[in-house]
Amino acid sequence: DAGVIQSPRHEVTEMGQEVTLRCKPISGHNSLFWYRQTMMRGLELLIYFNNNVPIDDSGMPEDRFSAKMPNASFSTLKIQPSEPRDSAVYFCASRDIGFTQYFGPGTRLTVL
Amino acid sequence: GESVGLHLPTLSVQEGDNSIINCAYSNSASDYFIWYKQESGKGPQFIIDIRSNMDKRQGQRVTVLLNKTVKHLSLQIAATQPGDSAVYFCAEDLGSQGNLIFGKGTKLSVKP
Repeated sequence: DAGVIQSPRHEVTEMGQEVTLRCKPISGHNSLFWYRQTMMRGLELLIYFNNNVPIDDSGMPEDRFSAKMPNASFSTLKIQPSEPRDSAVYFCASRDIGFTQYFGPGTRLTVL
Repeated sequence: GESVGLHLPTLSVQEGDNSIINCAYSNSASDYFIWYKQESGKGPQFIIDIRSNMDKRQGQRVTVLLNKTVKHLSLQIAATQPGDSAVYFCAEDLGSQGNLIFGKGTKLSVKP
């Protein structure tokens, strides 16, 4: 099992640029979660999907953030335009019908 | 790959000793709890879970204890090894939509 796959692993961009983070959940999992982790705020849930449908996006910081899940095997988190305060590690996690979420390796985003 | 909060509790133990990591959870309605381990530069990794109808569950070298009266969760690691050095997070599931609420984490350092 390849686990949750995220790309890129590292992203460095300049303020104002668009950033797209990608996630492939574990095959057969029907829920997908996007988290952001920073030293100041720890691990924060941004949004999650059940069966490709967004259920709760109350954690999305502002309109600059958007997430999509066009099919069961792919999701994107987009930041447009990016700002230095968006610098963080972004994790994707997936879950089957149980409760346990399985995390990907994360994308470390640096916005200059 | 720092993943610690600004005031992350730290536990330092000698190799071979037992470790106990504590967590206070917030919601008495939570019915499922998980412990995750996060090594530097990696995503959180599932260790062990427990349902609210149990007060103890054992895995390989790890035991989770649940005290619902005082809303307290603990993770015991037997014969702690250098490879156990990581940040440990507890998480609770409110049972409504499958959201996990993560604690701030505890950093475990194992001295050889």
